[in-house]
Amino acid sequence: EAQVTQNPRYLITVTGKKLTVTCSQNMNHEYMSWYRQDPGLGLRQIYYSMNVEVTDKGDVPEGYKVSRKEKRNFPLILESPSPNQTSLYFCASKKVSSGANVLTFGAGSRLTVL
Amino acid sequence: AQSVTQPDIHITVSEGASLELRCNYSYGATPYLFWYVQSPGQGLQLLLKYFSGDTLVQGIKGFEAEFKRSQSSFNLRKPSVHWSDAAEYFCAVGEAPNTGNQFYFGTGTSLTVIP
Repeated sequence: EAQVTQNPRYLITVTGKKLTVTCSQNMNHEYMSWYRQDPGLGLRQIYYSMNVEVTDKGDVPEGYKVSRKEKRNFPLILESPSPNQTSLYFCASKKVSSGANVLTFGAGSRLTVL
Repeated sequence: AQSVTQPDIHITVSEGASLELRCNYSYGATPYLFWYVQSPGQGLQLLLKYFSGDTLVQGIKGFEAEFKRSQSSFNLRKPSVHWSDAAEYFCAVGEAPNTGNQFYFGTGTSLTVIP
C-alpha cells in the first residue's frame, strides 16, 4: 500500500532532550515536507526537500533540523525541544512532475514537550 | 503573497442538511486547489482537487467544489451531510510544479454534525 509512515505517533518528552521523528514513504516521491498543526493556525511548513541532499526552510524552521540522505526518508530532528514545540506534526510527500501535484500525508505525530 | 482564508472557524449543521465551506485564496498565477479532510486522530485525506478544466469538481464522499476565478474562491459543498462528515476541513493552494512545489493551507474549518 502506498503510504507515508511516521513514528512515533505519540511522544511525551522533557525540555532539552533531543528527539527524532521519522518519516518514510514508499512511493518514490522526490518531494517531502514537514508541517506542524496548531489550533487556529492551520498547517505551517517547517522544512521541505525537493530530492536527496536538497532541503530548504519553510515558514517556521526555528528549532528544527532535517536531513535527506535517502529518497524514502525525511526525519525531523528537535535538538533541544522546548514547550512551544508541543504540536501535531505531519510529514507529506509528492512526485515532482507536471501531472502529479497532490500531497500524501502521514497519520501525524503528536508531540508534547514538558 | 500567497494565502488561503477559511473564514469559518467552526460550523454546526444538522444531519441531512446541506453544507458549504468557504475558501478564498490569494495567488498570482493559476492555482492548484485542494480540499483535505482530517478526521479525529487521523491524517489529512484528499477530498478533491482542481487543476484546470471544468470548474465544478467532484470528490470522494459526495463532496464537490466550485472554482470561481472572479471571486478567488473554491467553496466546498455537500447536499446532505452525514454524521461521519464531522471533521476538520482544510483548503489549500499548491504551486504549479513548473513554478514551485509549495502548498499553502488555510486555518481549517471544524464541522460538527448534530442528529
